[in-house]
Amino acid sequence: QLQLQESGPGLVKPSETLSLSCTASGGSISSSSHYWGWIRQSPGKGLEWIGSIFYSGTTSYNPSLESRVTLSVDTSTNNFSLRVDSVTTADTAVYFCVRHLGGLVRGVLYMDVWGQGTTVTVSS
Amino acid sequence: AIRMTQSPSSLSASTGDRVNMTCRASQDIRSNLAWYQQKRGKAPRLLIHAASTLQNGVPARFSGSGSGTDFTLTISCLQSEDFATYYCLHYYNYFALTFGGGTEVEI
Repeated sequence: QLQLQESGPGLVKPSETLSLSCTASGGSISSSSHYWGWIRQSPGKGLEWIGSIFYSGTTSYNPSLESRVTLSVDTSTNNFSLRVDSVTTADTAVYFCVRHLGGLVRGVLYMDVWGQGTTVTVSS
Repeated sequence: AIRMTQSPSSLSASTGDRVNMTCRASQDIRSNLAWYQQKRGKAPRLLIHAASTLQNGVPARFSGSGSGTDFTLTISCLQSEDFATYYCLHYYNYFALTFGGGTEVEI
């Protein structure tokens, strides 16, 4: 059974870069039927889709965050990563990595597997 | 962007009750809708996709209906473990995925 686990710093200073990684176990991220993504949840904005990546590197981003977000994937280590540049306090949230159903033809569909989430606080 | 509006934002119910909650999309999303359950401090759990298809392992007391812009999640006989917050999500082609604001089901 596939499991996802987020890792990364819990505290980031304003204007710096937030970097998180997600490791998949019990399954391969080199799947033609799935995308791999990030969702965040903050009290002020609820659940927000950040973006998703296919194992080949094809990405899809939320337009509201696209200018600051970069996703990458490393199939050799079965993990994928999130980078958010120039963070502000509004980026404080719980960040979840997820698996989406979908693919290059069907696109990014719903999420069926979630990591447990990691809290990131932006503060000086 | 497609906006998803859930109502009510919260509701009070008792075990054994039948509960309905709704999700409205700002434009036609066909059946590209999923429902999630989230308990405090946990990740959301997929209940339903394609508006009415029950995810494997989800109890049959959960059901979904609707298409186009109006959708409903029904819990036919509320159990104690069902007290949680429920979110809808649209995944209509090539639009940014967006969630509704949630419906909290409380005792």
